[in-house]
Amino acid sequence: DAGVIQSPRHEVTEMGQEVTLRCKPISGHDYLFWYRQTMMRGLELLIYFNNNVPIDDSGMPEDRFSAKMPNASFSTLKIQPSEPRDSAVYFCASSLPTRSETQYFGPGTRLLVL
Amino acid sequence: TQLLEQSPQFLSIQEGENLTVYCNSSSVFSSLQWYRQEPGEGPVLLVTVVTGGEVKKLKRLTFQFGDARKDSSLHITAAQPGDTGLYLCAGDTNAGKSTFGDGTTLTVKP
Repeated sequence: DAGVIQSPRHEVTEMGQEVTLRCKPISGHDYLFWYRQTMMRGLELLIYFNNNVPIDDSGMPEDRFSAKMPNASFSTLKIQPSEPRDSAVYFCASSLPTRSETQYFGPGTRLLVL
Repeated sequence: TQLLEQSPQFLSIQEGENLTVYCNSSSVFSSLQWYRQEPGEGPVLLVTVVTGGEVKKLKRLTFQFGDARKDSSLHITAAQPGDTGLYLCAGDTNAGKSTFGDGTTLTVKP
């Protein structure tokens, strides 16, 4: 079974541009998490969904960030407009409905905003 | 906000040595996970501990959950270069999300 799939793996963009990160969770997993990882702040939870519904978005930095999960097999994280301080590795993770603490991570999207 | 503190932050040892890394909090967790992350990849789950005082072994790795479920340790015996990576602990409060520590970066030199 394929693991969590993220695209693109790498993204380089200029400040002010819109960035869309994509995630396909493991089939059958009801929880989906978006994280951001930087050297300075470590791994930060941005938002998570349960059954396609956003449960906690308190980690979303500001209004420039938005996330959607239109169906059980797809989620997006959008940054508009992007800023250099958004440069980081963004991970998507998913977990089973009864074991939300056991998360399976994707390979991440490495974002560089110039 | 629950805070998980990991120590040491960095650890560099020779192949064959033993080591222990720690994960501490003032909060009680319903379960605690240990992950290992290699460069350019996402974290990979190593183990979940649930019961206070629980000890789990995974080959050369031994994980312990504190009696009060506030802290945990990871002990590696006879470390190998393949053990190199970032070790992250994460605590779950039954609220559906986990809190991650900042990690211990381990380098095992051949």
